[in-house]
Amino acid sequence: EAGVAQSPRYKIIEKRQSVAFWCNPISGHATLYWYQQILGQGPKLLIQFQNNGVVDDSQLPKDRFSAERLKGVDSTLKIQPAKLEDSAVYLCASSLVWQNTGELFFGEGSRLTVL
Amino acid sequence: QKEVEQDPGPLSVPEGAIVSLNCTYSNSAFQYFMWYRQYSRKGPELLMYTYSSGNKEDGRFTAQVDKSSKYISLFIRDSQPSDSATYLCAMRRGAQKLVFGQGTRLTINP
Repeated sequence: EAGVAQSPRYKIIEKRQSVAFWCNPISGHATLYWYQQILGQGPKLLIQFQNNGVVDDSQLPKDRFSAERLKGVDSTLKIQPAKLEDSAVYLCASSLVWQNTGELFFGEGSRLTVL
Repeated sequence: QKEVEQDPGPLSVPEGAIVSLNCTYSNSAFQYFMWYRQYSRKGPELLMYTYSSGNKEDGRFTAQVDKSSKYISLFIRDSQPSDSATYLCAMRRGAQKLVFGQGTRLTINP
């Protein structure tokens, strides 16, 4: 079974530029998550989708971050304009169920450096 | 105060030692407690999962939850160099979002 796919693995941009990350979850997983992991910290949830609907985006900086999951499968996370503090690893995860015990399967992450 | 506190380490122990990793939390409503292992430049992977209080054992790994003290632990017996990674505790209440600790960086020295 293929895991969660993410691209690009690495991206370096200058502040105020834009960047987009792509995620393809495990086949059949209805729930998709985007996490931000700053160096030395645990992952922080940015947004959670159930199929193509948003379940939780309370910690998404909506003035600069946007995410979509149009067909309920793959997803894109965009940052525009980027700030220095956005330097982090952006992790995508998926799960079969979200109500209680659904295990989250993570991708390898997209590492962003903002100069 | 953070909802979940975890000593970031780093923690370095010799091969074969027993390792103890811990987290404390403030939200008494947390019901589901997990430990994730994250190798360098990889995504986290679920290692142990516990519902409510008690112990759970899986091979060399034991997870303990003490809800009265708001304290969870992960023990690794007969530690191996391949156990070198960052260990993240995580917890949630019902269907609410998973809250992660900061992670403890562990190195097992041959």
